[in-house]
Amino acid sequence: DSGVTQTPKHLITATGQRVTLRCSPRSGDLSVYWYQQSLDQGLQFLIHYYNGEERAKGNILERFSAQQFPDLHSELNLSSLELGDSALYFCASSALADSYEQYFGPGTRLTVT
Amino acid sequence: GIQVEQSPPDLILQEGANSTLRCNFSDSVNNLQWFHQNPWGQLINLFYIPSGTKQNGRLSATTVATERYSLLYISSSQTTDSGVYFCAVDADTGNQFYFGTGTSLTVIP
Repeated sequence: DSGVTQTPKHLITATGQRVTLRCSPRSGDLSVYWYQQSLDQGLQFLIHYYNGEERAKGNILERFSAQQFPDLHSELNLSSLELGDSALYFCASSALADSYEQYFGPGTRLTVT
Repeated sequence: GIQVEQSPPDLILQEGANSTLRCNFSDSVNNLQWFHQNPWGQLINLFYIPSGTKQNGRLSATTVATERYSLLYISSSQTTDSGVYFCAVDADTGNQFYFGTGTSLTVIP
């Protein structure tokens, strides 16, 4: 158990819908990262937050957004869902802002039908 | 972004055999981690190893940052070692991980 929690574990929804994925980092960690793992794209970095502020953006679509709250949990919002958004979404946390060991949550498996 | 290449892409081993997995990266890094993704999809930290050598039981890893590669050694493999092994690096600019495409390992009894 990494100490990072993600909810829900599984999510099935229809195209065009909007969903919210939640992540709670390890106790004391200030950084939260979001990743997407799909069969054709592999593991891709989406976005990084540190202590409530956005630090870096990767291959995140405009239909996706994220935020980190004062209690340090983070939410990833996916809207206007398409079939291609079906993937495993991981959250990771680390203690510091840059270049430190990341611990991954169990992931949320999103299926868009 | 930084390119991360892993080899071999697939590996099948008899239980008890040893193996070496390689990760090459295209630019200088200040963070490198090895992960094992088990058949249930969970990503498990193996090593945080931006440089040097570390050992944990049957697993060990070496990173030669100046030559831009890292190696993961698995000795006396067990069926529970099956899964996909990923190398991920964080470039000098920091803030995001770049993952390799992984090595899929199958250990047969």
